[in-house]
Amino acid sequence: GENVEQHPSTLSVQEGDSAVIKCTYSDSASNYFPWYKQELGKRPQLIIDIRSNVGEKKDQRIAVTLNKTAKHFSLHITETQPEDSAVYFCAAPRHGSGNTGKLIFGQGTTLQVKP
Amino acid sequence: GAGVSQSPSNKVTEKGKDVELRCDPISGHTALYWYRQSLGQGLEFLIYFQGNSAPDKSGLPSDRFSAERTGGSVSTLTIQRTQQEDSAVYLCASSLEAQGRNIQYFGAGTRLSVL
Repeated sequence: GENVEQHPSTLSVQEGDSAVIKCTYSDSASNYFPWYKQELGKRPQLIIDIRSNVGEKKDQRIAVTLNKTAKHFSLHITETQPEDSAVYFCAAPRHGSGNTGKLIFGQGTTLQVKP
Repeated sequence: GAGVSQSPSNKVTEKGKDVELRCDPISGHTALYWYRQSLGQGLEFLIYFQGNSAPDKSGLPSDRFSAERTGGSVSTLTIQRTQQEDSAVYLCASSLEAQGRNIQYFGAGTRLSVL
């Protein structure tokens, strides 16, 4: 939607613990929600995305859940490993874009996984 | 196949000079985006090209910034009369908006330093 809020801005967990990052959006018409991972000095890369016709999607240790009523979606990483340390960005389509076109990115969450 | 290519990878310029940043998208991708990422910050949308449609320039911070996309492929972002606050990493991304997904593939970015 037009505004995407992401929390927390930083997150530190012990290796093996779970990490959860949450985003809220404002446009109820938004129907596509990707998550990008940016390792230090690297380019952002898509790690998982979800469309609004499903409530959850899982890919190995990562999962995304979507609550359309509350207009929020979350990234869940289980059994965290040091290589999960990175900045994670959520995104949602800009108002009126539907599931294509411009994405509004959250401000990012810096995840640190301590060995 | 080749990913999104940006050049130069680094650019150091003096305040007041003009700079041109280049982006070669993935072949066949109809959508192209420019973002700005300041140190430790999120992805600030600048401009969006989609096919032959008029570009969405709503994110350009001032009239010193302009971009064009020739032949629906290569794009150039031009910053005139650079200022120190223009120092950032400029990221380009391309996507093929299909099947309800907008997967953006990012280039490695151009790190601009304005002295």
